Amino acid sequence: QVQLQESGPGLVKPPETLVLSCTVSDDSISGYYWNWIRQPPGKGLQWIGNIHHDGRSNYNPSLKSRVTMSLDTSRNQFSLRLTSVTAGDTAMYYCARGLGWLTTDWGQGTLITVSS
Amino acid sequence: ETVLTQSPDTLSLSPGESATLSCRASETVARDYLGWYQQKPGQPPRLVIYDASSRATGIPDRFSGSGSGTDFTLTISRLEPDDFAVFYCQQYATAPLTFGGGTRVEI
Repeated sequence: QVQLQESGPGLVKPPETLVLSCTVSDDSISGYYWNWIRQPPGKGLQWIGNIHHDGRSNYNPSLKSRVTMSLDTSRNQFSLRLTSVTAGDTAMYYCARGLGWLTTDWGQGTLITVSS
Repeated sequence: ETVLTQSPDTLSLSPGESATLSCRASETVARDYLGWYQQKPGQPPRLVIYDASSRATGIPDRFSGSGSGTDFTLTISRLEPDDFAVFYCQQYATAPLTFGGGTRVEI
């Protein structure tokens, strides 16, 4: 069973850049889509975007101007970069594996708080 | 983008009863690429149903999905204490992928 583990700073000051990583174990980056999804405290889920092992990416238009995703196949990791963060970006951030665009496996999530 | 509207917001039921959750899409979900996820407090979502009606690995047959086009339903029969959670639908046919607002199934 694939395992995904997010890592990040916990606290970010506005308007800094948030960088998160997701390490994939027990499996390979190849052949799947890799997603970032977030959930503000007490609220619903928002898809941020995904990246395929061949480098193709898709971003939510509401965040597209601030989002970059990347893959490091040698380290079995993928990353999210979100610029110019505000309090509205405070959320639990999940990384997840996709079979096609179907999200099948999720990490436990990392809570990111944006505050000065 | 495809907007998914879930109803009701909350279902209050007892163990042994059945739950019927609705998910309505603002436009046709191509190929019925509609999934349902269960989320318990402090945990990530878990895939329950994909392609509108296929159960994910390890999901008991008390969970069933149905529907096509713009109207989809998740039915949970014979509710067990472990089933109580928030359920989200998601369409993965068209970017941006979108989720419904969730239905809480509570005791």
